[in-house]
Amino acid sequence: DVKVTQSSRYLVKRTGEKVFLECVQDMDHENMFWYRQDPGLGLRLIYFSYDVKMKEKGDIPEGYSVSREKKERFSLILESASTNQTSMYLCASSWSTGGEKLFFGSGTQLSVL
Amino acid sequence: EDKVVQSPLSLVVHEGDTVTLNCSYEVTNFRSLLWYKQEKKAPTFLFMLTSSGIEKKSGRLSSILDKKELFSILNITATQTGDSAIYLCAVMEYGNKLVFGAGTILRVKS
Repeated sequence: DVKVTQSSRYLVKRTGEKVFLECVQDMDHENMFWYRQDPGLGLRLIYFSYDVKMKEKGDIPEGYSVSREKKERFSLILESASTNQTSMYLCASSWSTGGEKLFFGSGTQLSVL
Repeated sequence: EDKVVQSPLSLVVHEGDTVTLNCSYEVTNFRSLLWYKQEKKAPTFLFMLTSSGIEKKSGRLSSILDKKELFSILNITATQTGDSAIYLCAVMEYGNKLVFGAGTILRVKS
């Protein structure tokens, strides 16, 4: 069974803090993604990566950065958290071929106060 | 701008009812359409559709795609309380970009 693990289920941070969200997958997937999910807006793509050290901006990259130093790990970084970044963050991964089928982590509910 | 629109936004039914969830899309380079079920937190894959008119079926769930009219439906027959979830529709474009709809929240009452 494919496993995508996100380091925290719930996180509470203060405005201005630097926040790291970690995601690890165990299926040797080439592709990894970070989404945020907000009520009424669905999942919106923040960043994705097709390979180690590669990253591409998604639809809403502002205020975020990512790091992929190893194939299995994809980190999302909020350089200076703001209240409008309070959201559910979902990590996903897939193979490079047939990459439509995403495997998701359980999500991190981030609250920025 | 690419978009995926799901309807209804939410739905409450009784056990045993049949439900139809809708997904329409406008994307530049369509490759496939996917349905996911999200209970609690992690969305799980249900179906991937690439060809018009070919029904995909899994137990009480089925789905079909119409590439001419740019929509898909997800049917659930004989609903059970365990079907309560958010159902997400997503369209894959060439370049591996997935565009998600806002989801349909389904609640099945016993």
